Amino acid sequence: GESVGLHLPTLSVQEGDNSIINCAYSNSASDYFIWYKQESGKGPQFIIDIRSNMDKRQGQRVTVLLNKTVKHLSLQIAATQPGDSAVYFCAENIAGNQFYFGTGTSLTVIP
Amino acid sequence: SAVISQKPSRDICQRGTSLTIQCQVDSQVTMMFWYRQQPGQSLTLIATANQGSEATYESGFVIDKFPISRPNLTFSTLTVSNMSPEDSSIYLCSVVGPGGVGELFFGEGSRLTVL
Repeated sequence: GESVGLHLPTLSVQEGDNSIINCAYSNSASDYFIWYKQESGKGPQFIIDIRSNMDKRQGQRVTVLLNKTVKHLSLQIAATQPGDSAVYFCAENIAGNQFYFGTGTSLTVIP
Repeated sequence: SAVISQKPSRDICQRGTSLTIQCQVDSQVTMMFWYRQQPGQSLTLIATANQGSEATYESGFVIDKFPISRPNLTFSTLTVSNMSPEDSSIYLCSVVGPGGVGELFFGEGSRLTVL
């Protein structure tokens, strides 16, 4: 499969601070990306997505940035809360509904 | 959104046995997928469960090891055959929601431990 990886396997942030989770992808033809959140014992949950014709997309407290030049994706979480503690995956869509998931970053929010 | 129920949620299995995991969706969906998540790792697509035809398997996964059924638009099963400890994983069912590509919803997963 294609290579989709994350720079940092773990990240600890203080409650209230902003979090940035990074992801590198290898297929320049990928046109759609998603960030998922997975809490312990649960399935992945859709957070936010972005298409390749965009550089930035904002949601509630989350922003995804896409840099196609360097094939890099990031997820920014504003005012991080304890409930944000989870593993975050980026997923790359190449064609149809097939997704390749990155390694995952474990985010721990320190109260 | 789609609500996905998986059974069993977890099981402990003996080497050499087989286990069938069920996935039930609360609405009719066209696309259903099975993923594997090995301990501490990311998700790997096993196969696409096709209604009325044979599943489409990804590289490294074969029908003899992971037979899949998809009898209708709301239900699918994945069997893990002749299990070994290396099959200890979380197996996740996922579906594409009404919004189309990207709205991939996941079940809570079935955590299998093979002794």
